[in-house]
Amino acid sequence: DTEVTQTPKHLVMGMTNKKSLKCEQHMGHRAMYWYKQKAKKPPELMFVYSYEKLSINESVPSRFSPECPNSSLLNLHLHALQPEDSALYLCASSQEQARLAGGPGYEQYFGPGTRLTVT
Amino acid sequence: SQKIEQNSEALNIQEGKTATLTCNYTNYSPAYLQWYRQDPGRGPVFLLLIRENEKEKRKERLKVTFDTTLKQSLFHITASQPADSATYLCALDTFRRGGGADGLTFGKGTHLIIQP
Repeated sequence: DTEVTQTPKHLVMGMTNKKSLKCEQHMGHRAMYWYKQKAKKPPELMFVYSYEKLSINESVPSRFSPECPNSSLLNLHLHALQPEDSALYLCASSQEQARLAGGPGYEQYFGPGTRLTVT
Repeated sequence: SQKIEQNSEALNIQEGKTATLTCNYTNYSPAYLQWYRQDPGRGPVFLLLIRENEKEKRKERLKVTFDTTLKQSLFHITASQPADSATYLCALDTFRRGGGADGLTFGKGTHLIIQP
């Protein structure tokens, strides 16, 4: 099973709402990622979890709060978002940390994304 | 600052010809470089990974080269087909000094159109 699943597929929320995005993988991967992708732009890294610990936070505003409850699950909690936060949110996973393990580099498997609209 | 450039936003190629996409980078020394395909409304799909000590990698009709002196990677699709039409993204690891997991920094992508 080389699939990364994300729910929901689409989400519309108001600026005062609280919602969560979910991501799941069963490939035994120990690194998981959140990316944000605006229309006609490349994905931009937001957070990296490595062995269930937050490894990288790319200066993302605190209205985005990641959580990794276990090695298979990754959540992104959303609160008080702005309309400019509307985007496709992509989750990805990879076998392990390329640099820390001194490994050869590992490909990332992406989910289909959650299309978020903030009104 | 680090910069990744892909040669063109769009590339039109006749079916059967070889499509060549370019990725250049500056102010960076990646340990590896990856190429992904992305179709509209979908997540990127991994195609090939090449390490800094490798010159060339092949997979079926795909070939990627990596020149760390020129700071450039070329991505080739031979015998191109209309089904190859998609956006192709070049990605580099974002190495953190002192270790830690890597995320990817993507180029803007090249929208490849294969015309029948």
